[in-house]
This record gives sequence, structure tokens and C-alpha cells, in this order.
Amino acid sequence: AQSVTQLGSHVSVSEGALVLLRCNYSSSVPPYLFWYVQYPNQGLQLLLKYTTGATLVKGINGFEAEFKKSETSFHLTKPSAHMSDAAEYFCAVTYGGSQGNLIFGKGTKLSVKP
Amino acid sequence: DSGVTQTPKHLITATGQRVTLRCSPRSGDLSVYWYQQSLDQGLQFLIQYYNGEERAKGNILERFSAQQFPDLHSELNLSSLELGDSALYFCASSIRDSTYNEQFFGPGTRLTVL
Repeated sequence: AQSVTQLGSHVSVSEGALVLLRCNYSSSVPPYLFWYVQYPNQGLQLLLKYTTGATLVKGINGFEAEFKKSETSFHLTKPSAHMSDAAEYFCAVTYGGSQGNLIFGKGTKLSVKP
Repeated sequence: DSGVTQTPKHLITATGQRVTLRCSPRSGDLSVYWYQQSLDQGLQFLIQYYNGEERAKGNILERFSAQQFPDLHSELNLSSLELGDSALYFCASSIRDSTYNEQFFGPGTRLTVL
């Protein structure tokens, strides 16, 4: 069965610092991987996704993630945090033939200190 | 704004009652997904419809049911409500039912069962 583990339910960084949010997945078949962001009182918005091809994926708002099959990881990074990045981030996995329903991690709440 | 609308935004009801949550997908999207977000279970996939037909079922209780109408809007019916059903319910839509297609999330309906 597919599953997603996000290390750290809460991450705090200073403005301008590197953002690193960790995601590891478990999948018996090639996965498709996603990062979503949820701002307070809003729905989820897709940041980026990996399906096939280039393993380094660039998304919106300066975020990127790298698919590492050997490490079963899909960590999310941003070189320089901005106050507006404060939100909750969800890693999700699905796979071909699943009709697209997503399996989510527990989420990581990112705080950005001035 | 994702283009997915959900009504109502908030719903407060009592145990044992029945409620209906409504979702209108983005124009042109044929697939609708329902997810439940709670503090203890996180984000969980409930059920998916594609062009009026049920396509996939996740962790949906027997007390819950859904349907997608000819105009493609969907309703999630929750009956015999329990305190533990209190959660945020999201609807998402995508063009088709493939894993490649991005899912666009609505703002959610917050259900409180007293």
C-alpha cells in the first residue's frame, strides 16, 4: 500500500533562510508525487508535481523538489523563505491506475520568522 | 480562486442528524473527488466520481454517500452524524480521471457536530 511520511509536523525558519520540508513515500509501483500548500482557511493549491522525466521539478513561488528513487524521497526546498510562505504543506502520492485519488502525508506547518 | 465552489462554508449540526455538502467543479472538469481533513486522521480520500459514475472509493463510511449529477455538480451526504465526523470536507475536480491531471481544490466545508 502507498503511504507518505512527512518528517516534522512543524518547521520554523527565518526570513531569507533555506526552506527544507521532508517527504518520504512508500510505493510498490512507480509513484507520482505532489506537493500542495494550504493557507489558513483556504483549500489546497498545487505547488509542483513529478510524474515522469526530469527528477528535479520546479514549481510556483520559487519552490522545487527532487525525486530520489534510491532514497524514496521527494523533499521540497526553497532557497530563501519569505513571510508569505507561512502555510501548511502536504506531500501526496498516487500511481498509475489509481484513478488519481491522492494519498496525503500528515502535513508540515511552516512558520517564517522576521 | 480555483474555480471549484463548495457550499455551505460552515455547517453546525447535532449528533444523529443528516447533512448534504455540495460541490460545483471547475467548468469543463468531469471528475470530482471528496476528501476529509481532520486533526487525527489528516487528509483522507473518500470517493471519486467521473462523468456521473463512481470511479473509486477510499475510507468512506457506510453512513456517507455521494453522487454526481448530470450537470456534474456533486453532493456528499453524511447521515447519523457522530462527534467524530467533525472535519473539513474538501471537494476537488480535474479534467479527467487520470493521475496526470491536476486536481483543483475548493475552499472546503467545515462541519461541526455537537
